[in-house]
Amino acid sequence: GENVEQHPSTLSVQEGDSAVIKCTYSDSASNYFPWYKQELGKRPQLIIDIRSNVGEKKDQRIAVTLNKTAKHFSLHITETQPEDSAVYFCAAYSGNTPLVFGKGTRLSVIA
Amino acid sequence: SAVISQKPSRDICQRGTSLTIQCQVDSQVTMMFWYRQQPGQSLTLIATANQGSEATYESGFVIDKFPISRPNLTFSTLTVSNMSPEDSSIYLCSVGDGGVNEQFFGPGTRLTVL
Repeated sequence: GENVEQHPSTLSVQEGDSAVIKCTYSDSASNYFPWYKQELGKRPQLIIDIRSNVGEKKDQRIAVTLNKTAKHFSLHITETQPEDSAVYFCAAYSGNTPLVFGKGTRLSVIA
Repeated sequence: SAVISQKPSRDICQRGTSLTIQCQVDSQVTMMFWYRQQPGQSLTLIATANQGSEATYESGFVIDKFPISRPNLTFSTLTVSNMSPEDSSIYLCSVGDGGVNEQFFGPGTRLTVL
């Protein structure tokens, strides 16, 4: 089955800097890659996703890139703000199974 | 996206008892899932709740411990049976549309077992 690895597990950045979180997946049949943001005590929220027919997708300060050949995808957050502090999860979908999640990255944005 | 509610939002239970968690969606959804999230950990899939048939359990989870019902396309329940302190966790309902793959989460049920 699918296996998703996520790095780093923790990330601290200064406010205004960029943050990058990377994930790799094992199943070449995977075709959908969402990212979730989970603030303390709240549910995971879908913030951006990418499908295997595109290489990059942007939504304001966040972007996701996908390299199908290397089987990795990344989340990029620019001009980070304190409210970006949260745990971020990547996930992969490969056909008939539910999403498989990475272990999460705790992002701290230091004002 | 669908509006998902869960009851209860939190509970404190005694060892050996059972708790049933409800998940209600405001529209019909194809897929419903139950996840567990232990403190500081990622999301672990317990099972897929199938409408009109038995749930599909992931490795390490069994029906006797986590019976699931899904009587229709908007509602599901997860029971945590014969609880022990190791069952203390957040339990999340998730719904998806098999066609577009997106999954959304309910607010979760925070369970503490004493």
